[in-house]
Amino acid sequence: DTGVSQDPRHKITKRGQNVTFRCDPISEHNRLYWYRQTLGQGPEFLTYFQNEAQLEKSRLLSDRFSAERPKGSFSTLEIQRTEQGDSAMYLCASSLIDPSPLHFGNGTRLTVT
Amino acid sequence: QKEVEQNSGPLSVPEGAIASLNCTYSDRVSQSFFWYRQYSGKSPELIMSIYSNGDKEDGRFTAQLNKASQYVSLLIRDSQPSDSATYLCAVTRQGGKLIFGQGTELSVKP
Repeated sequence: DTGVSQDPRHKITKRGQNVTFRCDPISEHNRLYWYRQTLGQGPEFLTYFQNEAQLEKSRLLSDRFSAERPKGSFSTLEIQRTEQGDSAMYLCASSLIDPSPLHFGNGTRLTVT
Repeated sequence: QKEVEQNSGPLSVPEGAIASLNCTYSDRVSQSFFWYRQYSGKSPELIMSIYSNGDKEDGRFTAQLNKASQYVSLLIRDSQPSDSATYLCAVTRQGGKLIFGQGTELSVKP
């Protein structure tokens, strides 16, 4: 069990640029989640997958956010035309099917200048 | 009403005391409940899971669940300075989506 791996750990970008983050889940986990967390708040749900199927996407997300999980393995989260309000920690987690707990990666900290 | 609500912190307790953290949730059909600990700048780590009414103990930690009252709590006995962190309550919605509360910051004073 190598844990959930996220890349990069930190990303600084200028407003208007596109960014892409990668998450590699624990190998036997078929569920993969993306969350966003800002200072002093709990993780905010963005989207989740079961294998390659995206089961739900938060209504809070604009169309600038997209996530994929080709072949049910790693996942990518892309943010287009970044805004300063996108600055946050982006957390990926994986699990077996409910009611299994989530295991989190170390996160990607995004700073939009 | 937020889906998962926690005590607003910070909560400060002396070393060796019992820390009590509370959480309420709005969705009656929720079946799985978790407590995560998050140190500053780190990602959340699971400390307790509970699925049925009653108490569940693991070392110095006890989780309590009351589905009728839609309430889940975490007790930390013999609190240590190393327990100082933010504690996140998380509840599974139908379909498996995990929703988090805003977290309660705990400070254990030596």
